[in-house]
Amino acid sequence: DIQMTQSPSSLSASVGDRVTITCRASQSISSYLNWYQQKPGKAPKLLIYAASSLQSGVPSRFSGSGSGTDFTLTISSLQPEDFATFYCQQSYTIPPTFGQGTKLEIK
Amino acid sequence: EVQLVESGGGLVQPGRSLRLSCAASGFTFDDYTMHWVRQAPGKGLEWVSGITWNSGTIGYADSVKGRFTISRDNAKNSLYLQMNSLRVEDTALYYCAKDLYGGRNSDNCFDPWGQGTLVTVSS
Repeated sequence: DIQMTQSPSSLSASVGDRVTITCRASQSISSYLNWYQQKPGKAPKLLIYAASSLQSGVPSRFSGSGSGTDFTLTISSLQPEDFATFYCQQSYTIPPTFGQGTKLEIK
Repeated sequence: EVQLVESGGGLVQPGRSLRLSCAASGFTFDDYTMHWVRQAPGKGLEWVSGITWNSGTIGYADSVKGRFTISRDNAKNSLYLQMNSLRVEDTALYYCAKDLYGGRNSDNCFDPWGQGTLVTVSS
């Protein structure tokens, strides 16, 4: 199975900050990388698919980049509603696998 | 609006069985691969199983292979997960999720997700 490793595992930031979360795959996954946001008590929500494509309805302050084994999710200017846990997921091969999550907290 | 509503969760003893259901609406169900993804309390996400539009291709996580069976009824717009020989480590919130894009090939990108149904395995 492909292992997905996110860093950091947790992060404190302030409203207005620029934040970057990284995800590394244990082997090349081309651009088959997706990002999800999960708020407490809610289901995950797709933010970015195919490494850099913004899902419909997702604010443009979210962006994704990378290919191969190294990927990033960037939030250009944090808003209060962005504080959540973020997961990367590879869709290159079965089984699809997720990173362990990055919890973004308010500083 | 796409809606996925899971049901069938509950408290069950180790070794027993449970059947989860997911009722889909707001899209052409038989165009899409469907999935089950679970989340143990306070933990991360784990893909459990997926099934293509015509049930022609089915996949399972190693952790559930031989114990869980995924199925679908396109006439009823419903997805199912039969869970046998349940273990304490199967305790989780089970989400139903749709492939992002429809068609004969699975994209294994999950959008949207249902609200989940909680399965607790305990004696």
